[in-house]
Amino acid sequence: GENVEQHPSTLSVQEGDSAVIKCTYSDSASNYFPWYKQELGKRPQLIIDIRSNVGEKKDQRIAVTLNKTAKHFSLHITETQPEDSAVYFCAASRGSGGSNYKLTFGKGTLLTVNP
Amino acid sequence: KAGVTQTPRYLIKTRGQQVTLSCSPISGHRSVSWYQQTPGQGLQFLFEYFSETQRNKGNFPGRFSGRQFSNSRSEMNVSTLELGDSALYLCASSARDRAETQYFGPGTRLLVL
Repeated sequence: GENVEQHPSTLSVQEGDSAVIKCTYSDSASNYFPWYKQELGKRPQLIIDIRSNVGEKKDQRIAVTLNKTAKHFSLHITETQPEDSAVYFCAASRGSGGSNYKLTFGKGTLLTVNP
Repeated sequence: KAGVTQTPRYLIKTRGQQVTLSCSPISGHRSVSWYQQTPGQGLQFLFEYFSETQRNKGNFPGRFSGRQFSNSRSEMNVSTLELGDSALYLCASSARDRAETQYFGPGTRLLVL
């Protein structure tokens, strides 16, 4: 089955710096890659996703890049703010259009943004 | 639209008991997935239901089961609870036409003593 590796497990940055979280996946048939943010005691929330027909996607300070050949994808957060502090999870799945699917998650990255 | 809701939010049980957790998806969403979240293992997929049928199942023992009703609400059941079942149980729903995009509920925190 699919295996998703996520690095680093913890990341500490100064406010205003950039943060990069990287994930690799094993199943070449995976074609959907979401990123979730989970604040302490709260539910995971989707912050950005990318599909395999796209190499990069941006949403304000957040961007995701995908390299299908190398089977890795990354989350980039620019101009970090204290409210970006949370656990970030990457995930991968192969399903679409109603076919069987499941999300396989990385183990998470605890991002701390220091004021 | 109202978000995904889960009940109860907190639960304390003892070993050997059974528990039933409930999930109500976003209105119009027909797919419901369940995940177990623990500090050591992260988010692990339990099973996914669509139109009352289990379409996919993770690597959990048979003590973990689920079902989905005609209104898309879903329940999961854990029988013969073990200490290691203590976790946050999250459900997520997704729409038929965007099957991958999942929206999570707040979770049920289960403590097994």
